[in-house]
Amino acid sequence: QSALTQPPSASGSPGQSVTISCTGSSSDVGGYKYVSWYQQYPGKAPKLMIYEVTKRPSGVPDRFSGSKSGNTASLTVSGLQAEDEADYYCSSSTGGNNLVFGTGTKVTVL
Amino acid sequence: QVQLVESGGGLVQPGRSLRLSCAASGFTFSSYGMHWVRQAPGKGLEWVAVISYDGGNTYYAHSLEGRFIISRDNSKNMLFLQMNNLRVEDTAVYYCARRAEWDWRYVDPWGQGTLVTVSS
Repeated sequence: QSALTQPPSASGSPGQSVTISCTGSSSDVGGYKYVSWYQQYPGKAPKLMIYEVTKRPSGVPDRFSGSKSGNTASLTVSGLQAEDEADYYCSSSTGGNNLVFGTGTKVTVL
Repeated sequence: QVQLVESGGGLVQPGRSLRLSCAASGFTFSSYGMHWVRQAPGKGLEWVAVISYDGGNTYYAHSLEGRFIISRDNSKNMLFLQMNNLRVEDTAVYYCARRAEWDWRYVDPWGQGTLVTVSS
């Protein structure tokens, strides 16, 4: 199972929006509702930010939103803040009770 | 609060074995599936394995080719990862993580990880 494809980097100024794509196939992203997004600061453990494509766990700011169209999922961070500068990874269920992560995107707040 | 503390990492030679442990606290360990996820230095996340709440079901990343075994001891609130025939490419930080509340396919929270270095 190959990693899902994400752009290596994305950036935006404070207050702007940034959208990160996550492209897979009909065997993963396109075939299941089990798409999630994780935030990771350098040297720290990841944190779940979005699950089931669009849902936010308690405590995650509503500036974070998720969507999916076909084989591509997206994470949008609106009203960028300095604290949003981190690495972001998507994940999807695959057939055969496996999980696959994306290649990761480094978000820079300019 | 939930705490997951990994141990057992270190330097090991190619072809050797290593057993990682994860001590869980702050939740009813025997009610939750558990994951191992790894991250090679400077690279992305890679899912390794998951075990059901009672240990009755286990699933592995196909790329591991049967070299790793996930297990648990619910009487001691412990999760394990037995890694055999280690390769240089297995070098990574290994994270222990709990399944999220909504489904086993979501991973949260995570431990801080333990570094495994495979080198001669």
